[in-house]
Amino acid sequence: DQQVKQNSPSLSVQEGRISILNCDYTNSMFDYFLWYKKYPAEGPTFLISISSIKDKNEDGRFTVFLNKSAKHLSLHIVPSQPGDSAVYFCAASVAGSARQLTFGSGTQLTVLP
Amino acid sequence: DAGITQSPRHKVTETGTPVTLRCHQTENHRYMYWYRQDPGHGLRLIHYSYGVKDTDKGEVSDGYSVSRSKTEDFLLTLESATSSQTSVYFCAISERDSRLHGYTFGSGTRLTVV
Repeated sequence: DQQVKQNSPSLSVQEGRISILNCDYTNSMFDYFLWYKKYPAEGPTFLISISSIKDKNEDGRFTVFLNKSAKHLSLHIVPSQPGDSAVYFCAASVAGSARQLTFGSGTQLTVLP
Repeated sequence: DAGITQSPRHKVTETGTPVTLRCHQTENHRYMYWYRQDPGHGLRLIHYSYGVKDTDKGEVSDGYSVSRSKTEDFLLTLESATSSQTSVYFCAISERDSRLHGYTFGSGTRLTVV
């Protein structure tokens, strides 16, 4: 039973355009959501996060939107650059002593020059 | 990331043999985690630690054990490796306030069980 789902295994976008990566979740107890980026042969790196009390968080070219009623979040990258080509993981956290993260299956983003 | 090191980076082992993966951190973070990454599954939590000698099971803990005798080291042991444990294993560290900044991951260990 996947509590965090990324239904698109891959996405291709032209350089300079917007990339939109989507994530759905089922556990209403999640209170923080995070996006990670992963290049081949490297560990995932933290990109951006959002608290469940907010509906938007922005950091440079990256914006995360949260729709709690739909249990849906999305990551927008504007403008997309070839260096953004990577696997993007959505993750969610429930309040607790160890702050375990539950990850989605990832979306491979390819930005075409 | 310089603050977290995994060893070995690659390993091939035979079915039925014991294997130990090591995670070493220099950040003095309290929390440490072992995840495995498999196609179609993303990252799944195996075990985690919230302090020296304090560990607990994650989502996919069967066939794995862990130990943390020092703050800086978190060991993952496959007692008797099986082909289903072929995967990429990631260690991660965090502080208590990781909600907004998440974990720091190591570079991973690619394990192949033949």
